[in-house]
Amino acid sequence: EDKVVQSPLSLVVHEGDTVTLNCSYEVTNFRSLLWYKQEKKAPTFLFMLTSSGIEKKSGRLSSILDKKELSSILNITATQTGDSAIYLCALPGGGADGLTFGKGTHLIIQP
Amino acid sequence: KAGVTQTPRYLIKTRGQQVTLSCSPISGHRSVSWYQQTPGQGLQFLFEYFSETQRNKGNFPGRFSGRQFSNSRSEMNVSTLELGDSALYLCASSPPGDNEQFFGPGTRLTVL
Repeated sequence: EDKVVQSPLSLVVHEGDTVTLNCSYEVTNFRSLLWYKQEKKAPTFLFMLTSSGIEKKSGRLSSILDKKELSSILNITATQTGDSAIYLCALPGGGADGLTFGKGTHLIIQP
Repeated sequence: KAGVTQTPRYLIKTRGQQVTLSCSPISGHRSVSWYQQTPGQGLQFLFEYFSETQRNKGNFPGRFSGRQFSNSRSEMNVSTLELGDSALYLCASSPPGDNEQFFGPGTRLTVL
């Protein structure tokens, strides 16, 4: 059975800090790893990492895939209160297009 | 391009009733997936439809079912509702050949 484990489950930091969120996985057939940000409503897409694209960056957010360690990290630098959200890591399941999600990291940025 | 839409946004039902939720994918997306999100279990995959066929199903009882129409719109049905079915139900659509999924705003179901 595919597994996605995220850590920490929750994190409270101050504005301006840098945070690193972790995602480790066990899947039958790795195709890609996706990061989502969920505020009050539906998850919104951040990054997709694949074997041919193991590092992505967008503004203060960046993500790296480590296929050897079966893990990925999501970094947020110079955090802002608007970064407060649940960050979800997900992988397509073996043979299916349904995503297997981790439980998420609940990030709270204090002013 | 309009995003994924879901109706209704909020729903209150009582135990034993049934409910039907609707999802309209982004134009051109033919794959629609459904997820249940609860505080305890997180996001869990229910099923996925492509071209009116269920391609895969998650680990949920048979009370949960769905279908997809020729215009790619999808519905999911939950029969004989239980208190534990209270959750946010999310629908997501994918463009052809892409793992990325675009989520709708969800339907918040409360079972009393």
